[in-house]
Formats: sequence, C-alpha cells, structure tokens
Amino acid sequence: DAMVIQNPRYQVTQFGKPVTLSCSQTLNHNVMYWYQQKSSQAPKLLFHYYDKDFNNEADTPDNFQSRRPNTSFCFLDIRSPGLGDAAMYLCATSRDGGGRSYEQYFGPGTRLTVT
Amino acid sequence: GEDVEQSLFLSVREGDSSVINCTYTDSSSTYLYWYKQEPGAGLQLLTYIFSNMDMKQDQRLTVLLNKKDKHLSLRIADTQTGDSAIYFCAESKTGTALIFGKGTTLSVSS
Repeated sequence: DAMVIQNPRYQVTQFGKPVTLSCSQTLNHNVMYWYQQKSSQAPKLLFHYYDKDFNNEADTPDNFQSRRPNTSFCFLDIRSPGLGDAAMYLCATSRDGGGRSYEQYFGPGTRLTVT
Repeated sequence: GEDVEQSLFLSVREGDSSVINCTYTDSSSTYLYWYKQEPGAGLQLLTYIFSNMDMKQDQRLTVLLNKKDKHLSLRIADTQTGDSAIYFCAESKTGTALIFGKGTTLSVSS
C-alpha cells in the first residue's frame, strides 16, 4: 500500500562525505518534490521535477543536487554535507491536471545526521 | 514577516474541540491545506480548501477561510489522544509548490 517510499529512514554521514537519499513512488505521478525540514521549522522546498524538467529553488545551495532517472524514482544527492544540513528530508509527489492535482503525497522522510 | 504563520502550541482535553489558526500573506493563493505530522512520520494531507470557498467540513474537521483577513482555521471536534501531532498550514498557487507554516503542536490530555 505504500505510495511514496523513502530509503533509508535514518542516514548518518560524516562531514564532507557525499550522501544520496532515495525516493520512489507507486502513484505514477509526474511531479516529484524534495523538501528539507529542520527541527521545529517548516518544510522548505529544495527543488522539484516536472516529468524530466528540473526546477531548482533560487535559494537551494549548490551542494544539493537531484536526479530522476524515471517516473518512479528520484534521488537527492548532497555532495559535501555540513553540520547545518542535518535535517529531515521529505519527498512528495503530485499529479498534474485540474482539480486536486496539486495535492501532494508525502513519504515518511529520511532523517539525516551529520557527524 | 513569514509567508504563513501559526501559533506553535495548543493544549486541549480529550473530548473538547481544538481550533488551530493560520494566517497567510499571499492573497493570490489558490489552495490552502492542512497537513498532519505524527512523530517520526511524513506529512499526511488532512483537508484542503479552494480560495473561493468559505468553509469545508469533513467528518470531525471543519476548515474556515476568511479571505479578506487571510485567515484559515482548522477545527477538530471531539479531539482524541490520537489527534496529538503537529499540524501544518500550507498555501499554494496553481502550479507552484507548497509554502508551509512552522506547524502547531497539538497536545491532547485525557
């Protein structure tokens, strides 16, 4: 029944060591999003894919990259994690079209710890 | 100021009604949402309202929208301990991503 799956649920990485977070979906939605949520803060959009088109938010650091090899999968790559990148990373999907198309379905998140 | 603002905490007794309030700044927002986040979990969409509506009711949930004041509220009737969670208000315009508030932590005591 899982619709948006994130792996791993918990990730520990060392300062400066590249890390990749994974998201997959069974909804066949054409839009996928990555949000960063720091403790006691609102989720903040990093970027999203509309099909294969990548849309970066203006204030997303260059340290964050993303790949979407197919409709089902999307990856978040952090090239050189800093202590300030420790957060919950949330993946979400939505379907384009009218009506409730902008309803976003979220995965359970990956909590990233940087040591 | 923040785009979406919410009070940070709300404490109620089981069986009472809870009202969580939210204000937003973008008058062109098309959709307004309430999401629920339980500890260690992702965000679950509870309900949403289009900006041309004033009210929406869905079982124990009632959403009120005052577009003039840019004020959104979520009322939970007969609040249960299982309703304890963080509730996020969010806005979006057509075709754009969600802008979230910082969330209101609802604590329900028995």
